[in-house]
Amino acid sequence: SQQGEEDPQALSIQEGENATMNCSYKTSINNLQWYRQNSGRGLVHLILIRSNEREKHSGRLRVTLDTSKKSSSLLITASRAADTASYFCATVRNSGNTPLVFGKGTRLSVIA
Amino acid sequence: GAVVSQHPSWVICKSGTSVKIECRSLDFQATTMFWYRQFPKQSLMLMATSNEGSKATYEQGVEKDKFLINHASLTLSTLTVTSAHPEDSSFYICSARDHRGNTIYFGEGSWLTVV
Repeated sequence: SQQGEEDPQALSIQEGENATMNCSYKTSINNLQWYRQNSGRGLVHLILIRSNEREKHSGRLRVTLDTSKKSSSLLITASRAADTASYFCATVRNSGNTPLVFGKGTRLSVIA
Repeated sequence: GAVVSQHPSWVICKSGTSVKIECRSLDFQATTMFWYRQFPKQSLMLMATSNEGSKATYEQGVEKDKFLINHASLTLSTLTVTSAHPEDSSFYICSARDHRGNTIYFGEGSWLTVV
């Protein structure tokens, strides 16, 4: 039931650099959300962007959404070692009680 | 803020036994909860949607008789892995939709190891 693909699957950068992760999805959506997961832990909600929005900011995070291309990007600026985690995009196809469908995720490693 | 509590955090059981995992929404009502499983270095795969007071909806390929889901109240859903086998060893995560809006909150997950 996976909806999309993230790329890259793995990304390794130096502390202070920016990290960009992309996500593509297949069906029409109501909104798209990005989550972070530390190894072996639950998911932390980062940001939600609605289908009628194109860009959204939250602290060091910037998310874009292009519904014509069915894609989204997550930019983390001035990365820190603590940003090391897996990042997933997830979509909700319709309103109501439909579940989040996750992409495959990007494993980000930030090297101090 | 809203919190979803999942218990136990980890469990080891013998092959053939059953294990129950609980998912509770602590300060909101969740008419719908979702159960996922995640293998190492892979994404979350939706197993089933749990609706309060009705039968769960299972994804294709998920055995409903093996993964019993009960959503008896607006704050509690349980997943029971019956007759567990080593291949059922995985990370199971629940999530709950706040009935007041679109926000979905996740539990911390439960590691199941079947030996």
